[in-house]
Amino acid sequence: GAGVSQSPSNKVTEKGKDVELRCDPISGHTALYWYRQRLGQGLEFLIYFQGNSAPDKSGLPSDRFSAERTGESVSTLTIQRTQQEDSAVYLCASSKDRVGVSGELFFGEGSRLTVL
Amino acid sequence: QKEVEQNSGPLSVPEGAIASLNCTYSDRGSQSFFWYRQYSGKSPELIMFIYSNGDKEDGRFTAQLNKASQYVSLLIRDSQPSDSATYLCAVNRGYSTLTFGKGTMLLVSP
Repeated sequence: GAGVSQSPSNKVTEKGKDVELRCDPISGHTALYWYRQRLGQGLEFLIYFQGNSAPDKSGLPSDRFSAERTGESVSTLTIQRTQQEDSAVYLCASSKDRVGVSGELFFGEGSRLTVL
Repeated sequence: QKEVEQNSGPLSVPEGAIASLNCTYSDRGSQSFFWYRQYSGKSPELIMFIYSNGDKEDGRFTAQLNKASQYVSLLIRDSQPSDSATYLCAVNRGYSTLTFGKGTMLLVSP
């Protein structure tokens, strides 16, 4: 597609439920990132995928969070047993190369998660 | 110490003025520095990046980098109301990821 596509755009769930957020990166982009942005806050790195390499999971806040990516295509971020503190906008981004080389992340519109 | 620090603002400037946005970072090994703009309710978009000490100009925007002081700034000349947004400073963390600051909100009044 022309840009990074994320779904759902909005998700309201009850505390304790599991949620899945999906990201479809720009075609040809080998790197895919998930960031979280709480209200009024900056972007918090969650996880990074590069091609078929092992993902960098160093930003995942707890074992309730997990993410998968098949090859260089779609990624799914799963949050199990959601808590109210998980409420945030989850942003997916992709880049053509490692950002330390080119630096340009292309962001999707985000998935706004509200945990009641 | 936070990895990337920015004043949250808001920074208020009148239309036509120069807006100066500042950022400090803690990792002396950082080599790539980026400014992203984020309109309210929207996703961030890249404005500029800078790798070398000194100034880099692109239209009304100038990025300045001082690695010795671990300081990077963004100047916006002839500020317009449409420049009102949150500006996020980002620094590379290794080769693969970026660490973002919390952003500075800029308000340009007509």
